[in-house]
Amino acid sequence: DGGITQSPKYLFRKEGQNVTLSCEQNLNHDAMYWYRQDPGQGLRLIYYSQIVNDFQKGDIAEGYSVSREKKESFPLTVTSAQKNPTAFYLCASSANRGSEAFFGQGTRLTVV
Amino acid sequence: GIQVEQSPPDLILQEGANSTLRCNFSDSVNNLQWFHQNPWGQLINLFYIPSGTKQNGRLSATTVATERYSLLYISSSQTTDSGVYFCAVVQIKAAGNKLTFGGGTRVLVKP
Repeated sequence: DGGITQSPKYLFRKEGQNVTLSCEQNLNHDAMYWYRQDPGQGLRLIYYSQIVNDFQKGDIAEGYSVSREKKESFPLTVTSAQKNPTAFYLCASSANRGSEAFFGQGTRLTVV
Repeated sequence: GIQVEQSPPDLILQEGANSTLRCNFSDSVNNLQWFHQNPWGQLINLFYIPSGTKQNGRLSATTVATERYSLLYISSSQTTDSGVYFCAVVQIKAAGNKLTFGGGTRVLVKP
């Protein structure tokens, strides 16, 4: 089935470790996005990419890094510089500029 | 950047009641979407509605782009309608199109 796959669903890491969250889509979409959601809050944009090998910072990029080496993949690395990484992370994609966006099922990251 | 405000922040309904959720945005947008976030956190697409009115079963949405707002109507609410409803807007700019979310409306439908 076509869609957006995020893995893993749950992730536990020790403080100070980098961790990479996976996002893969088979919708042939050009644009991909990463969002962070804290409990009871809305979604905040971390990074987005309109095309392979290009990406832009969103509103809360500090402490995160991304790559876009393939059209179907947009992994997010949460680095040790991120002061409060425990959150729910959501990945999305859209066909092109301004078209309808679709979301994956999310990854819950807990740092202990 | 663009501001997106949703109201009310919380809504408690008796099963069978109707309700209206509102989304205001501070600048012109190229498109607007409504989502429902279920208890497991998944975002379900409800409407892609840059302007005009659309209906899907008991849900309908209207966007008046010139006045910078959108409304989501829930009729004959059911307990399965509980969850958080988000609107999100897109502005197409040279650096790319950012999808910006409002703070959401948390809906609880009581049996």
